Amino acid sequence: DAKTTQPNSMESNEEEPVHLPCNHSTISGTDYIHWYRQLPSQGPEYVIHGLTSNVNNRMASLAIAEDRKSSTLILHRATLRDAAVYYCIPVDNTDKLIFGTGTRLQVFP
Amino acid sequence: DAEITQSPRHKITETGRQVTLACHQTWNHNNMFWYRQDLGHGLRLIHYSYGVQDTNKGEVSDGYSVSRSNTEDLPLTLESAASSQTSVYFCASSESPGNVRKAFFGQGTRLTVV
Repeated sequence: DAKTTQPNSMESNEEEPVHLPCNHSTISGTDYIHWYRQLPSQGPEYVIHGLTSNVNNRMASLAIAEDRKSSTLILHRATLRDAAVYYCIPVDNTDKLIFGTGTRLQVFP
Repeated sequence: DAEITQSPRHKITETGRQVTLACHQTWNHNNMFWYRQDLGHGLRLIHYSYGVQDTNKGEVSDGYSVSRSNTEDLPLTLESAASSQTSVYFCASSESPGNVRKAFFGQGTRLTVV
């Protein structure tokens, strides 16, 4: 399983963009990079995933480095509801999600 | 709408008792997973299944067992509950292949062993 390194915590003001980084230098060529988030007292929820190209959906954007050793989750305009723990997870063909410690995002009004 | 549900949401049990936590999904997903999450920590994989009659051990499987008799359900059994198994338990499911599919998580079961 590929190891990941994320900041323990980050802060943002409401309506500002947030860039959440993740290092995954041991990722293999076929691992997809998934991002999940966990709101307080809830189960994790899917945010986005990608392989090589940058990806966008209604929740966020995912920027993947050309060498695939790092990625950045971008929340374009943070809201109070985005306060959560964000997990970056390389997923291989075993389909297992192996969680690290994630980044706790605080959003201030 | 399809969903994944866990029951009970909260349970208190005594040391040494057998406990079973239920997980039911209506997505018709082949993959199902059980995790535990201790206070202030990330999720750790207990057991997982790729389909009916298939079960596999995860990172922290000691003291736990699962069985998969149909696609929809993956019950988690604590054979003899211990205080160290006090935790929040999450069930998840995904469609194969899971590396290109999103997983769906239940709301969790908070288990206290006294």
